[in-house]
Formats: sequence, C-alpha cells, structure tokens
Amino acid sequence: QVQLVESGGGVVQPGKSLRLSCAASGFRFTSYGMHWVRQAPGKGLEGLATTSYDGGEKFYADSVKGRLTISRDNYKNTVYLQINSLRPEDTAVYYCARDHAGAVAGSSWYFDLWGRGTLVTVSS
Amino acid sequence: SYELTQPPSLSVSPGQAASFACSGDKLGDKHVFWYQQKPGQSPLLVIYYNDRRPLEIPERFSGSNSGDTATLTISETQAMDEADYYCQAWDRTTAVFGGGTKLTVL
Repeated sequence: QVQLVESGGGVVQPGKSLRLSCAASGFRFTSYGMHWVRQAPGKGLEGLATTSYDGGEKFYADSVKGRLTISRDNYKNTVYLQINSLRPEDTAVYYCARDHAGAVAGSSWYFDLWGRGTLVTVSS
Repeated sequence: SYELTQPPSLSVSPGQAASFACSGDKLGDKHVFWYQQKPGQSPLLVIYYNDRRPLEIPERFSGSNSGDTATLTISETQAMDEADYYCQAWDRTTAVFGGGTKLTVL
C-alpha cells in the first residue's frame, strides 16, 4: 500500500525543538523527492521544505529558513523535519508529501501523494 | 514574495458547473496545480501542469491557465465535491498556495 505516515507531533513549549518523521511505504522511496507542508488550524497551506531524492539538495521557504532542517534516511524510507525555537505561530498540522519525481534543482516539482499529517501545538 | 489569490467561497447546485479562480502576477507563465481537501483529510492532487488530470480524478475536473488567472472547473458538480480547493505554484523553490476556496454544494 502506497502511503506516508507522519509522527512526532504533540504539545511543545515555546523555544523548544521537535523532530517530525514521515515513514514511506509501498513505493521506491529512493527515487522521489520529498516535501513538508503545514496548515495552521482553520488556515491554508504553507510550503516549508524540500529534499531531493538522494538528500543532496535541500530547499527552504524564506519564512522558516534557519529554524527548520529537512533530512532523509533512504535506508529507513523516512524523511524528517527538525524545527527549532518553536513559536506559537508554528502550531499547525504538518504534512509530508511526495514529489512526482526526484525534486532536483531545475526540474518541475509537484505533490502527488500526501500523508495524513501530524499536529504540532506550541503552548506553555 | 509571490502571492496567489482565491475567492474564499463558492456555492453551486448539484449538476451545475463550478469555476474556481486563482490569480497571480503573470501566473500564465508558471505551472499551476490544484488540490482538493475535504474536512479532516489531507490534500489530494486534482490538476497538475495547469490542465492535466491524474488518472484517478474524474473527467469532470479540468483546468486552464492564461494571463494572470488560472481556473479549475468542475463540469457537473456532485455533493461529494464539497471541499476546499487550493491552487499552487512555485516561486523558485518555494511552494506558494492560494488561500483556498470553500465549495458548498447546495
């Protein structure tokens, strides 16, 4: 079964860090780029970060650059998102999404498969 | 930074056509993607590269993109189509989404 399953969310205090995981199954993980997208409660979607199929290229939205780190482990079929210095405005459902291809620079990207998301709540 | 604008809501009767607008500066020069999100669910790709439809998406979904406006059209809207619809484009390497349009099927 082709799927993405996120984990690692929860209630976190402001200023703390958190690492989210996204486990992939049912497809050749090493062939695909991966993305993270978030959605604040009742709000729209926000693109955060992208990693190429081999982890050699990483890209970040300007709004989060410096606080987020995307990484992947192709042996574990898992992509990660490290979020540092959490703020209340980081409260959101965090989705991982598969790219339709390798997500290398200069190619065309889009999200062809989404996980169900994991909720991160930043509150004291 | 690049911005995409969508009207917040749209209401249609079953069987009518629903047209969703998405506007952005010279949007026609970019590829536009459309995602459907039903309550409590993750987004689902319904249109890619402006007008292409994934195999699992019904033929009643279509898209176009020209000038400053992209359009998603559902030709004969069904109750199951009730959802939020988001347009998306790329600003260099950042995914930019419109604010979404909530479709109500009366």
